Amino acid sequence: DIQMTQSPSSLSASVGDRVIITCQASQDISDYLNWYQQKPGKAPKLLIYDASNLQTGVPSRFSGSGSGTDFTFTISSLQPEDIGTYYCQQYDNRPSITFGQGTRLEI
Amino acid sequence: EVQLVQSGAEVKKPGESLKISCKGSGYRFPNYWIAWVRQRPGKGLEWVGIIYPGDSDARYGPSFQGQVSISVDKSNTTAYLQWSSLKASDTAMYYCARHVVGIFGFDPWGQGTLVTVSS
Repeated sequence: DIQMTQSPSSLSASVGDRVIITCQASQDISDYLNWYQQKPGKAPKLLIYDASNLQTGVPSRFSGSGSGTDFTFTISSLQPEDIGTYYCQQYDNRPSITFGQGTRLEI
Repeated sequence: EVQLVQSGAEVKKPGESLKISCKGSGYRFPNYWIAWVRQRPGKGLEWVGIIYPGDSDARYGPSFQGQVSISVDKSNTTAYLQWSSLKASDTAMYYCARHVVGIFGFDPWGQGTLVTVSS
């Protein structure tokens, strides 16, 4: 099974900061990597697909990069509404998938 | 509008059975995988399993194989997650989510069903 390791597990940043979250796969998954945002008490929301593509309607301050085993999720200028938990998800062996353990983002 | 609507919260005792549902609307139900995801209180997302309504092909996460059963009723455009004997450790929020063609991300998600197992 493919394991996904996110870091950090939590972080605190200020409005306007650049925020970076990383996700490492236990084996090469090409660009089969998605990123989600989950706000408190809500279902997750798809933000980035195929490692670097912005889902329709998602603000451009969010971005993703990487391929193979190492991936990065970036918020270019943190906004108050961005608080929540962020998860990576791989689908190299679809339809089986795996989530990372999550990164809790606070302001 | 594409929508997934889940059944309401459940409170059960250990050893009881349970079947929760996820009704899809606004799209061709047979053509999209539906995943189930568990989230224990204060914890992260765990993939429970997934089903393709077109042929009922179901797969399960390693921690859930043999513990739950996923099924679908195409005529009612509804997917189900079922337990035959609940444990306290099954207490969690369960989400269903529809896959996005071509990218195998999931959108939209249901609102979640809270399952509480307590004696």
